[in-house]
Amino acid sequence: GIQVEQSPPDLILQEGANSTLRCNFSDSVNNLQWFHQNPWGQLINLFYIPSGTKQNGRLSATTVATERYSLLYISSSQTTDSGVYFCAVIRTSGTYKYIFGTGTRLKVLA
Amino acid sequence: DSGVTQTPKHLITATGQRVTLRCSPRSGDLSVYWYQQSLDQGLQFLIQYYNGEERAKGNILERFSAQQFPDLHSELNLSSLELGDSALYFCASSSGGLETQYFGPGTRLLVL
Repeated sequence: GIQVEQSPPDLILQEGANSTLRCNFSDSVNNLQWFHQNPWGQLINLFYIPSGTKQNGRLSATTVATERYSLLYISSSQTTDSGVYFCAVIRTSGTYKYIFGTGTRLKVLA
Repeated sequence: DSGVTQTPKHLITATGQRVTLRCSPRSGDLSVYWYQQSLDQGLQFLIQYYNGEERAKGNILERFSAQQFPDLHSELNLSSLELGDSALYFCASSSGGLETQYFGPGTRLLVL
């Protein structure tokens, strides 16, 4: 099956720092999502990005589908960015697959 | 507040029992998705419904079933519960595809 790997597994930043989170996947996919789960457990869909680059405020994401990876950039991090960031890939051809990575746990210190 | 509601918030039950989790999507959203998050398996997609019809299926066990009703709320039924079914179950809704997906607060299930 499709393998989804996220790196780094853990990240500690000082407020104001920038960071890059990576999501690698082992097979061709049709779609990719990035999620944030805050420390209280709430999940938020950040990006739906099968290819190209998207930006939303201080966050941006880039997916290079041909090379099977996606990057999530967080600029000028804030304490509210803390939590776990997940990527998920979806393949709709053949047997439907919707697979999550194991996440990157981010802690932003004030 | 995402506009997606899930009940109950917490549920404690025993092995072998059956429970029903309920999800009310955001007003106007036709798609409902169910996910399971456990310490062992991480986040897993279970199933998606669109306007009452099953649209996509993931790692949903045969002991689990779901449906979406004409008023668009959805229920996830878990039967013959095992200890390993203890998890946080999320529901999400969208107006169509994954681009505009909003998550509920989850139902935390503990099987003893």
